[in-house]
Formats: sequence, C-alpha cells, structure tokens
Amino acid sequence: SAVISQKPSRDICQRGTSLTIQCQVDSQVTMMFWYRQQPGQSLTLIATANQGSEATYESGFVIDKFPISRPNLTFSTLTVSNMSPEDSSIYLCSVEDRVRNTEAFFGQGTRLTVV
Amino acid sequence: AQSVTQLDSQVPVFEEAPVELRCNYSSSVSVYLFWYVQYPNQGLQLLLKYLSGSTLVESINGFEAEFNKSQTSFHLRKPSVHISDTAEYFCAVSDLNFNKFYFGSGTKLNVKP
Repeated sequence: SAVISQKPSRDICQRGTSLTIQCQVDSQVTMMFWYRQQPGQSLTLIATANQGSEATYESGFVIDKFPISRPNLTFSTLTVSNMSPEDSSIYLCSVEDRVRNTEAFFGQGTRLTVV
Repeated sequence: AQSVTQLDSQVPVFEEAPVELRCNYSSSVSVYLFWYVQYPNQGLQLLLKYLSGSTLVESINGFEAEFNKSQTSFHLRKPSVHISDTAEYFCAVSDLNFNKFYFGSGTKLNVKP
C-alpha cells in the first residue's frame, strides 16, 4: 500500500489569499489525484496531476483557481487561489498505481476554512 | 460516465443490530466497485472492493457487500454492528482502467448503545 503525507492538515485563511497543499507519497506512483469534499457532501474530483505535463481538470475546475504541480512521481501540490468562503472544504490527495494496486489511497486531507 | 447513488444519508442503528447501506450505480461500461470508510476526523480507508470473481466480498471487520449486476447495486451489510462502526461510508466506482473514481454522497452510520 501507499503511505501519503499531506500538509498542512488544516488551516484558516483570509479571503483573497492563496494556500498551497502538499502531497508526498512514500513510493513512486503513476496517478495522483486531487479531490474536494465540501461540508456534508461527497468527494468531487478536481484534477489529475500528471507528471511532466499540465494537470487534467474536471468540469467546473480551472487551472487559474486550482494550479497543480507534479514535479516527480512522489510529490504534488494543489494551490487554492484567491480564496473565498465557498472554498472552505477538505482537500484530499489520492494516489493509484495500476500495476501494483487495485484501489485508490487517500491522504488524511487538508481541512481549509476561509474567513 | 459513471455515477453512484447512496439513497440513505444517515442510518441510525442500535448496537448488535444488523445494518444495510445501499449503493446503486450507473455506468455504460464495466466497473470496479468499492466501499470506503471515513472515521471522524480521519481520512478515507478502503473497506472492501469488488474487481472480479465471487460477487460477495468481505472485509476483515465483518462487513460484506454483494455485487448485483442486474440491479446495478453494491449494498454493504453487517449482521451485528458495534459502536466502533460509527463512521461515514462512501460507495465508489471506477472504470476498468482506474481512470477516475466516482463517489456517492456518503451514508453516516450512527451506532447507538
């Protein structure tokens, strides 16, 4: 299995500012994903973080608002830009390795509150 | 595209009673099916999964789920719940290439003494 370290675990931010969330995996993985879990709701996929190329965003999410980096096979960052209270959510990093695993592994999540 | 429906947002149940959490999915392609559990203030953990073979799959803590292709369902059951089973349970599907996971809205299981 993969062990995922996500930082920070929680933060309270002022509206208009940006927060970068880090995701570190203990092994090289093919696929890394970023999800959002809004209060009382399920997980929604934001984007797939591709190593060496631009992230692939789902409908309703754009790069200007959620820029993503994937510099190598074990690390990715998600930035929540120009935050508003509507961005208050739990953001989760997920990894999947099609070769070695048949499931998705999740980080502990980053609980973001925008005030 | 796939979608997952969990009709019950909350399920209260007394300790040692049986429970069933319902999950239905919609997909134009074959899928893999998963149940994830999220304990309070913790991340998601895989509970069990169906990839192929026997349609009845079990977890190590007594949960089981049965894949029913004709009814496009993957309901989660436990014959006798414990207080420690109190958590939110998410049903999920992925296509056979694991391109994406689609999650249901979750069911909060509240086990009362």
